[in-house]
Amino acid sequence: NAGVTQTPKFQVLKTGQSMTLQCAQDMNHEYMSWYRQDPGMGLRLIHYSVGAGITDQGEVPNGYNVSRSTTEDFPLRLLSAAPSQTSVYFCASSYSWRTGPGETQYFGPGTRLLVL
Amino acid sequence: TQLLEQSPQFLSIQEGENLTVYCNSSSVFSSLQWYRQEPGEGPVLLVTVVTGGEVKKLKRLTFQFGDARKDSSLHITAAQPGDTGLYLCAGATGPDKLIFGTGTRLQVFP
Repeated sequence: NAGVTQTPKFQVLKTGQSMTLQCAQDMNHEYMSWYRQDPGMGLRLIHYSVGAGITDQGEVPNGYNVSRSTTEDFPLRLLSAAPSQTSVYFCASSYSWRTGPGETQYFGPGTRLLVL
Repeated sequence: TQLLEQSPQFLSIQEGENLTVYCNSSSVFSSLQWYRQEPGEGPVLLVTVVTGGEVKKLKRLTFQFGDARKDSSLHITAAQPGDTGLYLCAGATGPDKLIFGTGTRLQVFP
C-alpha cells in the first residue's frame, strides 16, 4: 500500500492564481481531511469528508473548496490564491469516524505552497 | 474556537535527560492523541488515550490523560537524539473532528 499520497510536493503561485492540491489514499478509508500547518499554530482543519459525496467545513475553510467523488481521492482547490495561504498542507485519512473517538489518522507527506 | 496549548514551545536538551511536555485546554475531549512529526514529513501517531486518568507507556515515553479529560502530558525518560522532532497533541471534539495543539519542538543533542 502507498498509504496517503499528495501532489505536488512544492508549488509557487502568484496572487490570484488557482490550483488543486491532490490527495489519494489506497486503504479504503472513509474519513479524509485537509490541514494547514503554520509556524507556532499546529495543524488547523480546513475541510473534511466522512465518505464519498459528503464534505464539511473545518476551522479555516475560507478560500478553499473540496469535493469527494470517490473514496480514494480528496482534492483541495484554492480558488484565488493569496499570500496568507502560504503554508504546508497535509492530507490525512482514517478508517472510519464511526468507530468512536481516537481513530488513527494517517498523514501524507505534505505540499509546501508559496504564494507571492 | 477550542484551543490546545502546548508547553514548552521549544525544548533543547542533552542526551540522557528527562523531559515533560504539557498539553492543556479548557475544553473536555473524548480522547487525546500524541503525534511526532519529523522535518519534511507528516505527523505519525504515537498513542491515543481515552479514559480520564489513563496512563500509557511506550518504551521510554509515558503519556497521561488528565482526570477531567482537559489536559495531557508526555514524559520522556533518558532522551535520545532519535527523539528529536515536533510533538503534537490532538483532541477529539466529536466523532469527526480533531483539534491539534500548537506543538513542542524537541532537540536532543548527543
